[in-house]
Amino acid sequence: EPEVTQTPSHQVTQMGQEVILRCVPISNHLYFYWYRQILGQKVEFLVSFYNNEISEKSEIFDDQFSVERPDGSNFTLKIRSTKLEDSAMYFCASCEGTNTIYFGEGSWLTVV
Amino acid sequence: GENVEQHPSTLSVQEGDSAVIKCTYSDSASNYFPWYKQELGKRPQLIIDIRSNVGEKKDQRIAVTLNKTAKHFSLHITETQPEDSAVYFCAASKESGGGNKLTFGTGTQLKVEL
Repeated sequence: EPEVTQTPSHQVTQMGQEVILRCVPISNHLYFYWYRQILGQKVEFLVSFYNNEISEKSEIFDDQFSVERPDGSNFTLKIRSTKLEDSAMYFCASCEGTNTIYFGEGSWLTVV
Repeated sequence: GENVEQHPSTLSVQEGDSAVIKCTYSDSASNYFPWYKQELGKRPQLIIDIRSNVGEKKDQRIAVTLNKTAKHFSLHITETQPEDSAVYFCAASKESGGGNKLTFGTGTQLKVEL
């Protein structure tokens, strides 16, 4: 069964450093997403991406965040200057367009 | 925007009993309601979903009901087993031109005791 894959699985970074989280969505999917989950809390929407542009973003997705699809397979989330409160599990997800959204295994980001 | 509330936050049942988790949503335009199971440190996994043109859907021991008028939907797990222990999240979304954004509930920690 095809899966959404994410790298790295875990990253520790110094406050103020830039982080890039990478994702390979399911190959025939058209819609891509990033969600995050702070430890012990619910999953929160960050951004959706369709047709090579952001289609929707949440209040969390401020100027320090950006997304990119640099080639035909990868989908990245960049956090420009990390803060302590950015520590969370970041999930990439993709959707063919029929509502069902499939999540990757997550990238656990720890900012120290 | 959409707001999804979920109850209870924790639920303990004996193996073999049924478990029911309830969610309410605020946006009457929402039309898709998935349920995800999340084991510790793992990805949310879709276990069942329902669309607003259907009132009930069943898949083996799992069923979901939807009341559009009252804007609430519920997950029912029958004959619970220890491997059902996990956090369950409900979610709601409405389809838009750019895909759909899931708004999650706060989760229910289900513990199935032997």
